[in-house]
Amino acid sequence: DAGVIQSPRHEVTEMGQEVTLRCKPISGHDYLFWYRQTMMRGLELLIYFNNNVPIDDSGMPEDRFSAKMPNASFSTLKIQPSEPRDSAVYFCASSQSYQPQHFGDGTRLSIL
Amino acid sequence: AQTVTQSQPEMSVQEAETVTLSCTYDTSENNYYLFWYKQPPSRQMILVIRQEAYKQQNATENRFSVNFQKAAKSFSLKISDSQLGDTAMYFCAFGSIQGAQKLVFGQGTRLTINP
Repeated sequence: DAGVIQSPRHEVTEMGQEVTLRCKPISGHDYLFWYRQTMMRGLELLIYFNNNVPIDDSGMPEDRFSAKMPNASFSTLKIQPSEPRDSAVYFCASSQSYQPQHFGDGTRLSIL
Repeated sequence: AQTVTQSQPEMSVQEAETVTLSCTYDTSENNYYLFWYKQPPSRQMILVIRQEAYKQQNATENRFSVNFQKAAKSFSLKISDSQLGDTAMYFCAFGSIQGAQKLVFGQGTRLTINP
């Protein structure tokens, strides 16, 4: 079975540019999560969806960050405009109810 | 809010030895899940083991076992017969009992297995 698929694996861009991270969850999973991992703050939950509906976005750091899930097989996390402090590894994870989360391989984002 | 603390930033043992990683947490909830995730240099997040708080029996998965002390809010991971492939960051995580199992992670322990 295919796992959670994230793209791109690496992204390097200049400050001020728009960045879009993509995620394809495991088929049949009804929850999708976006996490950010940094040395300073560790792993933080940014937002999660249930059946494509955003449930809790309290971890989204600023209005520059937005996330969408237009259908059950696709989600995006967008940063506009990007700043150097947004540099991190961003993980997407999916799960079924009451089951452990399965993580993608992450996107390493570098903002110059 | 829940918090998870891993007090050992780094650990190092010889291959085939047994190693125990510590984790404590704080919560006012009575029912919840606890997890250990492994992150090797490849950056993947891999589920090692899950414990349900209402189950008194400690979870085991092959060479991995936990010591869950609910009253003490302690959740340690024991790796027996350690292997070079066990070298990784290990994260302890708290998950709510709700369907989403929102995770709160500790800061991680970097474990190195030496040949």
